[in-house]
Amino acid sequence: DIVMTQSPDSLAVSLGERATINCKSSQSVFYSSNSKNYLAWYQQKPGQPPKLLIYWASSRESGVPDRFSGSGSGTDFTLTISSLQAEDVAVYYCQQYYGTPLTFGGGTKVEIK
Amino acid sequence: QVQLQQWGAGLLKPSETLSLTCAVYGGSFSGYYWTWIRQPPGKGLEWIGEINHSGNTNYSPSLKSRVTISIDTSKNQLSLKLSSVTAADTAVYYCARISGGIWGQGTMVTVSS
Repeated sequence: DIVMTQSPDSLAVSLGERATINCKSSQSVFYSSNSKNYLAWYQQKPGQPPKLLIYWASSRESGVPDRFSGSGSGTDFTLTISSLQAEDVAVYYCQQYYGTPLTFGGGTKVEIK
Repeated sequence: QVQLQQWGAGLLKPSETLSLTCAVYGGSFSGYYWTWIRQPPGKGLEWIGEINHSGNTNYSPSLKSRVTISIDTSKNQLSLKLSSVTAADTAVYYCARISGGIWGQGTMVTVSS
């Protein structure tokens, strides 16, 4: 199984400031035949299913604000919220879909400082 | 726009079989893998398994001996059965189409004597 490790576990950021979440996979999720990283980021608010933010490591899902961005390749990835808004308080998960079993990071809780 | 609606029994006794169904509305059933994922209270996301329209399945190794995922293409529905449940199976269960980030609303399943 590919193990996904997120850091930090929680993060408190002032409104308007940058939030950065890291995700590391135990093996590369980059598929050389199509040059894509099989890595997604989700946002989950209490009582709701996860919402897809980013796929292919850096492609923003339709309707997702452009303050959310994803970067990285191979085994190391980052989700950045460039200017934190109150509605961004949530738990964020990375997920690899390179192979089964699909696996998720443990989650990062983002709060307002 | 594709929507997933899921239902099933929410309270089970130990050793019983969990049974959930997920209906796919507004889009094609074929060409995708359809997934079951669960989330214990206050914890992270765990992939259970997936099925495509041809009935090809992949299961989590840790649950494989107890899980059956099936489809009814005539109804655009997929189903999850998990046998011999224990308190450790208490969770919110989601059906999802990972490609495109489409999730059901979730069903809370509690296992208690």
